Amino acid sequence: GQQVMQIPQYQHVQEGEDFTTYCNSSTTLSNIQWYKQRPGGHPVFLIQLVKSGEVKKQKRLTFQFGEAKKNSSLHITATQTTDVGTYFCAGRAGGYQKVTFGTGTKLQVIP
Amino acid sequence: DAGITQSPRYKITETGRQVTLMCHQTWSHSYMFWYRQDLGHGLRLIYYSAAADITDKGEVPDGYVVSRSKTENFPLTLESATRSQTSVYFCASSESPDLNQPQHFGDGTRLSIL
Repeated sequence: GQQVMQIPQYQHVQEGEDFTTYCNSSTTLSNIQWYKQRPGGHPVFLIQLVKSGEVKKQKRLTFQFGEAKKNSSLHITATQTTDVGTYFCAGRAGGYQKVTFGTGTKLQVIP
Repeated sequence: DAGITQSPRYKITETGRQVTLMCHQTWSHSYMFWYRQDLGHGLRLIYYSAAADITDKGEVPDGYVVSRSKTENFPLTLESATRSQTSVYFCASSESPDLNQPQHFGDGTRLSIL
């Protein structure tokens, strides 16, 4: 079945440092979505990428979809304490109706 | 999101008991999902539904039963709870049948089975 892995599992950074999480799929994806879950909260949709090589930005967050549509990354520039949480990618393989969530990367930001 | 609500928020029960987790959405979204979240496993799909009276298994369906008699409700039942089913359960909904729309999650139910 479809597998979606994320690395790293945990990341501690000093406030102001950059952060990147990587998402890798065992199959080619039709699209990929990114979610953020604050501690004690529920996942909240951030963005969706559809096209090969697509790059989207949301303020300090940059999302990228790989050329082969099997991997993606989320980069945060100059982290802030409000960035704390777990970031999940979620992908759907072509012709497959179910979305598979990655294992998540838990980000801790040290003030 | 106020449009999707889960109940109860917290539940403690004993092994062997039946427990039902409720999920209600006010958006008339076609798709609804149940996930469980455990440390080290992320979100794993238990069951999903494409419309009323249409349900299908996800990654970890064993021990769970779902129904969807109305578009807005998607209850999840543990017929005979086991300790391994202690988890945080999230319900989600999505408006598009082709899953190119975001999923909207409820606040979750924290279930402990003693």
